[in-house]
Amino acid sequence: GENVEQHPSTLSVQEGDSAVIKCTYSDSASNYFPWYKQELGKRPQLIIDIRSNVGEKKDQRIAVTLNKTAKHFSLHITETQPEDSAVYFCAAIYNQGGKLIFGQGTELSVKP
Amino acid sequence: GAVVSQHPSWVICKSGTSVKIECRSLDFQATTMFWYRQFPKQSLMLMATSNEGSKATYEQGVEKDKFLINHASLTLSTLTVTSAHPEDSSFYICSARDPRLAGRGNEQFFGPGTRLTVL
Repeated sequence: GENVEQHPSTLSVQEGDSAVIKCTYSDSASNYFPWYKQELGKRPQLIIDIRSNVGEKKDQRIAVTLNKTAKHFSLHITETQPEDSAVYFCAAIYNQGGKLIFGQGTELSVKP
Repeated sequence: GAVVSQHPSWVICKSGTSVKIECRSLDFQATTMFWYRQFPKQSLMLMATSNEGSKATYEQGVEKDKFLINHASLTLSTLTVTSAHPEDSSFYICSARDPRLAGRGNEQFFGPGTRLTVL
């Protein structure tokens, strides 16, 4: 069925270190994989996304990698800063109908 | 562009009453909107896909008679929580796709959410 698994559920790093969050998806037909940052009580904010025709995408300190064969995709944040602290969600699109299925979320804490 | 609004931002109601939440696409027409529910410290769970001019498609386990969805125009979808109970208290978020974004048609734009508290 439609499923996205996300790990870890919590992640604590020192400022300046890197953070990696991993997700797996179940539908091999999925072709769009966004990552969101959500602060408490706010809407999810798209930070980066990747489509299935590329294996990696980078935007300043944020990068996403996609392994379609293994159905894995990962978020990499380098040189973390305290303002990166938030909950991060991965998602995958299903059925070409546009519905997004979200991972369980990762609470990232960056300690100064 | 691609702004989605929700109203109200928060609502408190008594058990047994009904509450209507509006989701609007402000600067584009959305044939499809999505409704999510998020409990504290949990992920966004898709409740239903709202299609303009036709019936909504509900996810498994979501009661369509309890969560009424109406997508009467290309810029407005409404979610009505009928006979609300305390367990319906949650953060309800809508999203929409902007069909003008050719090549980026899968990107969803989220509303700010509605915090529902049922006493």
